[in-house]
Amino acid sequence: GQNIDQPTEMTATEGAIVQINCTYQTSGFNGLFWYQQHAGEAPTFLSYNVLDGLEEKGRFSSFLSRSKGYSYLLLKELQMKDSASYLCAVRDRDYKLSFGAGTTVTVRA
Amino acid sequence: IAGITQAPTSQILAAGRRMTLRCTQDMRHNAMYWYRQDLGLGLRLIHYSNTAGTTGKGEVPDGYSVSRANTDDFPLTLASAVPSQTSVYFCASSPGTGGYNEQFFGPGTRLTVL
Repeated sequence: GQNIDQPTEMTATEGAIVQINCTYQTSGFNGLFWYQQHAGEAPTFLSYNVLDGLEEKGRFSSFLSRSKGYSYLLLKELQMKDSASYLCAVRDRDYKLSFGAGTTVTVRA
Repeated sequence: IAGITQAPTSQILAAGRRMTLRCTQDMRHNAMYWYRQDLGLGLRLIHYSNTAGTTGKGEVPDGYSVSRANTDDFPLTLASAVPSQTSVYFCASSPGTGGYNEQFFGPGTRLTVL
């Protein structure tokens, strides 16, 4: 099974940078995903990491260290619309996703 | 292009009643999933199907059943609803199971069991 931990809440100012950490323990690692979920809406895909290192996608970047069971999602140049919950999800060897409880990010003007 | 649709959007159900949540995708994705989302617990996998004709149990399958008669549809049935099944239910699909195969989520069904 999976054990996925991420902070419950974070607050940051518009234009700033926020880093959301995710640690995991897994019986078989097969990739890590980050999703964004606005209140009352469905999750939407942000990023995917399967090898160690940084994946950059515009204002969003995601990092993975498999040996440490650690990932982070970096949000740069924060905008008000980035206020949402960010979900870390680990895929196991059977291709099933396990999600963390999510980190609610509040962006303040 | 609709993507994934779920019905109903919301439902209030008496305990003991049978209920089927519907999920349809038009992307010809092979894999489909059902999750429930509860405050503080995140998304938990109920059942999944890697391809039409096959299904598997997720983390919290008890009290739920699924079928996958064709590629597009993946209904979730609660045989006899209980209050602990009050939750938001999301259906998802992906082109395949491995590699860079993200899951696409439907809009969700908010279910209240009284």
